[in-house]
Amino acid sequence: AQKVTQAQTEISVVEKEDVTLDCVYETRDTTYYLFWYKQPPSGELVFLIRRNSFDEQNEISGRYSWNFQKSTSSFNFTITASQVVDSAVYFCALSEALLTGNQFYFGTGTSLTVIP
Amino acid sequence: DSGVTQTPKHLITATGQRVTLRCSPRSGDLSVYWYQQSLDQGLQFLIQYYNGEERAKGNILERFSAQQFPDLHSELNLSSLELGDSALYFCASSPDVAYEQYFGPGTRLTVT
Repeated sequence: AQKVTQAQTEISVVEKEDVTLDCVYETRDTTYYLFWYKQPPSGELVFLIRRNSFDEQNEISGRYSWNFQKSTSSFNFTITASQVVDSAVYFCALSEALLTGNQFYFGTGTSLTVIP
Repeated sequence: DSGVTQTPKHLITATGQRVTLRCSPRSGDLSVYWYQQSLDQGLQFLIQYYNGEERAKGNILERFSAQQFPDLHSELNLSSLELGDSALYFCASSPDVAYEQYFGPGTRLTVT
């Protein structure tokens, strides 16, 4: 079973529209971390946000916002007033603590295209 | 620029060969991670090191090995290469385990 599910493979929106990228995770751990990364066409992965399992506060950073809900095991990402530069593949990831380190699981990514 | 460097950028080699990928973490980061990104498998966590010690293993094949040296740079060794090993290999670093990771530009490996 997938630890991190990003059901939306591809999304296209017109510039200035809002868009939400869904992420559902699965873990039995009480302590875990969730991440979002952006991979633009250039290929490099860019860190966007890290959340620990004890902090369910939503976060806003400019046009980006994240909604973390433990009750539904979801960590959704919303881009407000999308721009062409937002076109990229977005990955949600889960980190589970091991005795000595952490195991990381990435979703399959959502490819976002923002049409001018 | 994340501050993580990887060499080489591209590598083309033949089946059965062995290659070494190199990663230098961001200044001050003690933890290094290796990932493989391929079209069919997506982004797969391979292995994590912290201050020279292996801390976690993901889907790393036995033909692959890695190490982190005292100066904190890391190398990923891939041997007995197969066509299916063709992929983008990323290195990432973080100050500590489970912190946000900063990714390098990747090494694109093509096995022919």
